[in-house]
Amino acid sequence: DIQLTQSPSSLSASVGDRVTITCQASQDISMFLNWYQQKPGKAPKLLIYDASNLETGVPSRFSGSGSGTDFTFTISSLQPEDIATYYCQQYDNLLFSFGQGTKLEIK
Amino acid sequence: QVQQQESGPGLMKPSETLSLTCAVSGGSITSYYWSWIRQPPGKGLEWIGNIFYSGNTNYNPSLKNRASISVDTSKNQLSLSLSSVTAADTAVYYCVREMGDYGGRGRWFDPWGRGTLVTVSS
Repeated sequence: DIQLTQSPSSLSASVGDRVTITCQASQDISMFLNWYQQKPGKAPKLLIYDASNLETGVPSRFSGSGSGTDFTFTISSLQPEDIATYYCQQYDNLLFSFGQGTKLEIK
Repeated sequence: QVQQQESGPGLMKPSETLSLTCAVSGGSITSYYWSWIRQPPGKGLEWIGNIFYSGNTNYNPSLKNRASISVDTSKNQLSLSLSSVTAADTAVYYCVREMGDYGGRGRWFDPWGRGTLVTVSS
C-alpha cells in the first residue's frame, strides 16, 4: 500500500504570506495526487486534482506541483478564510489513501 | 448539482451493526463510483470502500471484512453496513462521489456529503 506523508503537521503564518505544504509518497505515483481543504466542522473540499489542476471555482492563489514521489501545495498569499486543515490523497491498486493532514493557522 | 445526504443512528453500542444511508439528489447515481470515508473526531480521513452503480465493490483491508456497501439505483441511494462496532469506529461518516479516470489512477472525491456523526459507546 502507498503511504502519504505530509509536512509540516501544522504551521502558523501571517496574512499575505506564501505557504507551502509538501506530500511525499512511499512509491512513484506519477501525477496522481489530489489536495483537499477542510474547514472546521465542514466536509473536505477538492482544490487540486492530478497534482496541478485547479478545480473550477477555486481561487488562483492555490496551486500544486510535483510528480513521482514529491508534491507541493502552495498558497501564494494567505487569506484569513484559508484557515483549515489540508489533505493530500492518492489512488492505487483499488485503494485510496490520505496524508495525515496539515493544520494551517493564522499567526 | 449533485448533493449527498447521509443518515444514520447517531449513537450505538459496542458489538452492534452500523447501518448508514446516503441519499443522492440533483443527479443520477448511475455511471459513477461512490465511496464511504470516515473521520474520527480530531483525526484524519480513512477510506472505507466504494461501489459502482452496477454493484461492484472494493474495501479497505484495514476494516477486516466488517464493511459492506450496497446501492439501490431505483431509490438513487447507497448504504454502508459495518459490523461489530467498537469505540474506535466513532467518527463522522461521509458519502462521496469519485471523479476522474475510472480506468486509470487519477481518481478524486467530489462532491462530499455533509457527513453524519456516529458515536459508539456503552
